[in-house]
Amino acid sequence: EDQVTQSPEALRLQEGESSSLNCSYTVSGLRGLFWYRQDPGKGPEFLFTLYSAGEEKEKERLKATLTKKESFLHITAPKPEDSATYLCAVQAANYGQNFVFGPGTRLSVLP
Amino acid sequence: NAGVTQTPKFQVLKTGQSMTLQCAQDMNHEYMSWYRQDPGMGLRLIHYSVGAGITDQGEVPNGYNVSRSTTEDFPLRLLSAAPSQTSVYFCASSSGLKRPQHFGDGTRLSIL
Repeated sequence: EDQVTQSPEALRLQEGESSSLNCSYTVSGLRGLFWYRQDPGKGPEFLFTLYSAGEEKEKERLKATLTKKESFLHITAPKPEDSATYLCAVQAANYGQNFVFGPGTRLSVLP
Repeated sequence: NAGVTQTPKFQVLKTGQSMTLQCAQDMNHEYMSWYRQDPGMGLRLIHYSVGAGITDQGEVPNGYNVSRSTTEDFPLRLLSAAPSQTSVYFCASSSGLKRPQHFGDGTRLSIL
């Protein structure tokens, strides 16, 4: 069965303490892996798309990487404003344009 | 640029009532979708559409109806509300295959 999992479920960091979030997937024919940020009371906000193993994307303190089985979202020297829930989603050959989302990682960055 | 607009933002219904959640996008996207988000379960696809006049079921379609008469609008109808449909509902749209979906800010629905 196709599946997308994320770990950890929740993560608390001190400001400036770098870490990584994981998104593991088991799908056939990956078309793209998408990272989103979701703030409380808001809809998911698009961050990155990764299409093939070895690809990397960066934006400010965030860097996303992709292998054949998982993706990492690295957060370097986080600030309190990076606190949010981070979601990953995959689009695969079986799903057309549909996404399958992971359950998310809730990140808290303490000052 | 408004993007994806959802109305209402909040709604309380009684069991058995019906209602329509509205979704409109101004990006001329062909693909639109509806998700529900429940604690610990992530976003689950209810229905989707790849263009005007074309709709299909997602993972959790029971109790919901959709139609797509224009490119811009994709309303979601609850036929007879049940407490299990208490959730946050998100509408999203995309410009095509391998493109990101863009989300509205959601409708928070409580069924008593």
